[in-house]
Parts: sequence; C-alpha cells; structure tokens
Amino acid sequence: KNEVEQSPQNLTAQEGEFITINCSYSVGISALHWLQQHPGGGIVSLFMLSSGKKKHGRLIATINIQEKHSSLHITASHPRDSAVYICAGYTGNQFYFGTGTSLTVIP
Amino acid sequence: NAGVTQTPKFQVLKTGQSMTLQCAQDMNHEYMSWYRQDPGMGLRLIHYSVGAGITDQGEVPNGYNVSRSTTEDFPLRLLSAAPSQTSVYFCASSYGGGGQPQHFGDGTRLSIL
Repeated sequence: KNEVEQSPQNLTAQEGEFITINCSYSVGISALHWLQQHPGGGIVSLFMLSSGKKKHGRLIATINIQEKHSSLHITASHPRDSAVYICAGYTGNQFYFGTGTSLTVIP
Repeated sequence: NAGVTQTPKFQVLKTGQSMTLQCAQDMNHEYMSWYRQDPGMGLRLIHYSVGAGITDQGEVPNGYNVSRSTTEDFPLRLLSAAPSQTSVYFCASSYGGGGQPQHFGDGTRLSIL
C-alpha cells in the first residue's frame, strides 16, 4: 500500500465544470503539497498546506489532519487546466508522492 | 533567475556505463533532492541534501551516488547503469525542507540499453 493515495487516477471534465481530486495519506506528515505536471513534463508547486484551506485563483486546496485527507478543487475548469495533479506528503525529512491524477478538460 | 537547471535533457546509455546528471540552482536554496518518475508510480526520492556537505539517502538510493560541495550544485551519479534505471529524473530545490514549496528542474529522460 502506498503511503499517499490519490483518486481518481483519470478524470475527464467539460469546460466550466467543478473538479475535485482527492488525496489520502497514511504516514504522519508535517506538510501536504499539491503539484501540477504539464503535458510537456515540467512540474510546478501549487500549494503547501499544514492545516485548513488555501486559495489561488480558481484553485482551492483543503486538508483535514484528523482524517488524513486533502482535496484539490478547480472551479470553472478550462482546457488549460489539463495536466497531471500530484499530491505529496512531507514527513519531516522526505516526501512521499501519490501517483497523480490525470485531468483532461474538454472545450 | 534560471531557477533549477538540469542537464542533459535526454541521454541514452549502454548497460554498465557511468554518467553524471547535473543539477544547479541559483536561488540559494538549502534543500536539494533527486527523484525518479516511472510510469504508474509516483515520484520517488533517490537522495537529498539539506546543505553543502550534507547528503542522505531517500527511498531508492541503490545504484546512485551524490555529493554537495556547493550550495548551487547537486550532481547525481550513476555508477554502473542498468536497464532498471531507465526513467525520468527530476531535481528539485527549496529554502527549507518540505515546509517550503519545491522548485523543479525540467527533467532528464534517461534510457539504458
């Protein structure tokens, strides 16, 4: 069993839809990161959370420490949001990564 | 600022050859790390460093060697390449450890024949 699990693995949405990607973790973490990997392969950091909720534009990330669960929401999805979204838990000295959620937004 | 620069972007090796993947950052970050990404698996940590002169093993260190002689550079050495090391390799850096957002290089696609 992976220390960090994401669902769904693949997601297809129509432009404008509200999207939720889930992340559950089994290890004790001090921070939870959400990353975006573009079709060309580059990886960028979207959020770093240790509690509560963060918002950046149309992206919202939440974390529930007691339930060991985090969600990434995308409001008013757009084709340019098509990418792989990866969550990662930081244990204090290293990261554990989920396998990613591949999102395709259709115009 | 260039950010995190990885070279080369692509490389093909024969089994048994050795090579070094280069990683350099110009942001004065303390924490640097190397990951490999394989289909169907998440990024896996190979080695990491919390500062010049300090390195430690990650989840999958076998067959790889690192050193950190300067803050800027963190090269990854493949000692004797094996087909199982065919992968995409990413270098990342951050100010602190996991408490800070990581900055990733563009990746090196490595094939071992």
